[in-house]
Amino acid sequence: AQKVTQAQTEISVVEKEDVTLDCVYETRDTTYYLFWYKQPPSGELVFLIRRNSFDEQNEISGRYSWNFQKSTSSFNFTITASQVVDSAVYFCALSDTGGNIDSGYALNFGKGTSLLVTP
Amino acid sequence: ETGVTQTPRHLVMGMTNKKSLKCEQHLGHNAMYWYKQSAKKPLELMFVYNFKEQTENNSVPSRFSPECPNSSHLFLHLHTLQPEDSALYLCASSQDRQGAREKLFFGSGTQLSVL
Repeated sequence: AQKVTQAQTEISVVEKEDVTLDCVYETRDTTYYLFWYKQPPSGELVFLIRRNSFDEQNEISGRYSWNFQKSTSSFNFTITASQVVDSAVYFCALSDTGGNIDSGYALNFGKGTSLLVTP
Repeated sequence: ETGVTQTPRHLVMGMTNKKSLKCEQHLGHNAMYWYKQSAKKPLELMFVYNFKEQTENNSVPSRFSPECPNSSHLFLHLHTLQPEDSALYLCASSQDRQGAREKLFFGSGTQLSVL
């Protein structure tokens, strides 16, 4: 079973629209970490945010905001007033132990959501 | 510029060739990773090195052979690959191998095509 589900494969919006990228995760751990990465056409994944499971405060960074809801196992990412430069593939990732602390943490990525922002 | 450089950016090879991918990080990190990114699939962790020692090998076929001569350099030696090995190979680094709980810094990847 996939640990991180990004149900939206592709999203297309017009510049200045707000867009939300969904991420649903599955874990048996009480301590885990969630990430978002951006992959522009140049290829390298760029870190956007890391949250641990004990911090449910929503975070805002400029036009970016994240909504962490443990009750629904979701960690959604919203871009406000989107711009063409936001066009990229966005990956959500979960780091957990799979319920076995002895095995250590492993990072699992979702399949990504491709966002296209047109002028 | 993330501080992680990968060469070459593109590589086309036949199934009988031997080639190597190179990764160099200028961040003073101690952990380095190889990931495989195939179309429509999640990123797959291949290998992890921490302080030059391999700490993880995710059941990767032996036709992929990693080498980490020091904490700044990581290689992936390729031989007798299959067409299904065509993918984007990404190198990443982190300060330490904190059980994958850390922020990763990625290179731009090598787009590999196996004919």
